[in-house]
Amino acid sequence: DIQLTQSPSFLSASVGDRVTITCRASQDINSYLAWYQQKPGKAPQLLIYAASTLQSGVPSRFSGSGFGTKFTLTITSLQPDDFASYYCQQLYGSPLTFGQGTNLEIK
Amino acid sequence: QVQLQQWGAGLVKPSETLSLTCDVYGGSFNDNSWSWIRQPPGQGLEWIGEVDYGGGTNYNPSLKSRLTISLDTSNRQFSLKLSSVTAADTAVYYCARKGRAVVINYYFYFMDVWASGTTVTVSS
Repeated sequence: DIQLTQSPSFLSASVGDRVTITCRASQDINSYLAWYQQKPGKAPQLLIYAASTLQSGVPSRFSGSGFGTKFTLTITSLQPDDFASYYCQQLYGSPLTFGQGTNLEIK
Repeated sequence: QVQLQQWGAGLVKPSETLSLTCDVYGGSFNDNSWSWIRQPPGQGLEWIGEVDYGGGTNYNPSLKSRLTISLDTSNRQFSLKLSSVTAADTAVYYCARKGRAVVINYYFYFMDVWASGTTVTVSS
């Protein structure tokens, strides 16, 4: 199985901050990576696919980059609605796998 | 646009079979793949498996021996059955569409539509 390791697992930040979450794959997955946001008690929502393509309707303060084994999700100018958990997912090989998640909290 | 609504038993006894169904409303049903994902309490997401529009399946090896995912095109729904459940199967279960898009001449996949989830507890 392809393992995804996210860092950090917990992140404390303030409104207006810029934050970056990293996702590392245990093998080359090209650009077959997606990012999701999940709020407590809700289903995940797709933010980015193909490593850097913003899903329709997602604010432009979210961006993704990376290729191969290292990927990043960046949120510029954090808004109150952005405090949530974030997961990366690889869709290169089966079984599909997720990172362990990053909890973004208000400082 | 596509909306998913899932339903099924929220309490299952140990050793019995967990059964969930996901109804698909709107959009195209016959040219997508349909997935199940679960999330144990306080933990991360685990992909369970998927069924494509032709009825072909792809399962997580960790669950494969107990798992059946099927498609009912006439009723626009897909289903999950997980047999011989234990407390370790207690989780929120989600159904989702596995969408796809072309980016620089290649297909890329993602889970773009999710149902709200069903909490399934395994307990006697």
